[in-house]
Amino acid sequence: EVQLLESGGGLVQPGGSLRLSCAASGFTFSNYAINWARQAPGKGLEWVSVISGSGGSTYYADSVKGRFTISRDNSMNTLYLQMNSLRAEDTAVYYCAKEEAARHILDAFDIWGQGTMVTVSS
Amino acid sequence: QSALTQPASVSGSPGQSITISCTGTSSDVGYYNYVSWYQQHPGKAPKLMIYDVSNRPSGVSNRFSGSKSGNTASLTISGLQAEDEADYYCSSYTTSNTLVFGGGTKLTVL
Repeated sequence: EVQLLESGGGLVQPGGSLRLSCAASGFTFSNYAINWARQAPGKGLEWVSVISGSGGSTYYADSVKGRFTISRDNSMNTLYLQMNSLRAEDTAVYYCAKEEAARHILDAFDIWGQGTMVTVSS
Repeated sequence: QSALTQPASVSGSPGQSITISCTGTSSDVGYYNYVSWYQQHPGKAPKLMIYDVSNRPSGVSNRFSGSKSGNTASLTISGLQAEDEADYYCSSYTTSNTLVFGGGTKLTVL
């Protein structure tokens, strides 16, 4: 079964850091770009970042550029999101999501994790 | 990176058809055929319903269809069923190498 499982969420103070992980199984991880998207409580979806299958290409939303870093370890089938200088407005459920087609990027996300909650508050 | 524009809510009775619009610009919806639609039930992760404007993933009912004209994409659900009640989001690739979601539409089945 194709599956994504996020972890690493929690409560962090403004200005703090957190690293999220997304463990993948059931597909050839290195063939697919993987995205992070988030959803603030009671709000809509917001795309955060994407990394290509090889890890050679990364893109970010303006709202997180310079503060968040996406990376992947294809030997461990794991995606990461390093979040620094966190703000209250970063509070959200963070999802990792797999591209529907191999070697496509920023197209369609066919598999989503269950999400991990990040709360930025003092 | 302004969100794509969707109606906040739509409603319909069982068996009816509804259409949800998603309006962007010539830099996103109007430029590419990389428009997708997602269904999200409360407390659940989004589910891909339509990709590349009008393609349905395996397992998605053929009651769901998508189209695009200019800068506006549309999702049509025919033969409304109670389980279709959910939030729906469109998304599009942009010329800035980013992805933008719509603000979401709450579908109520009366």
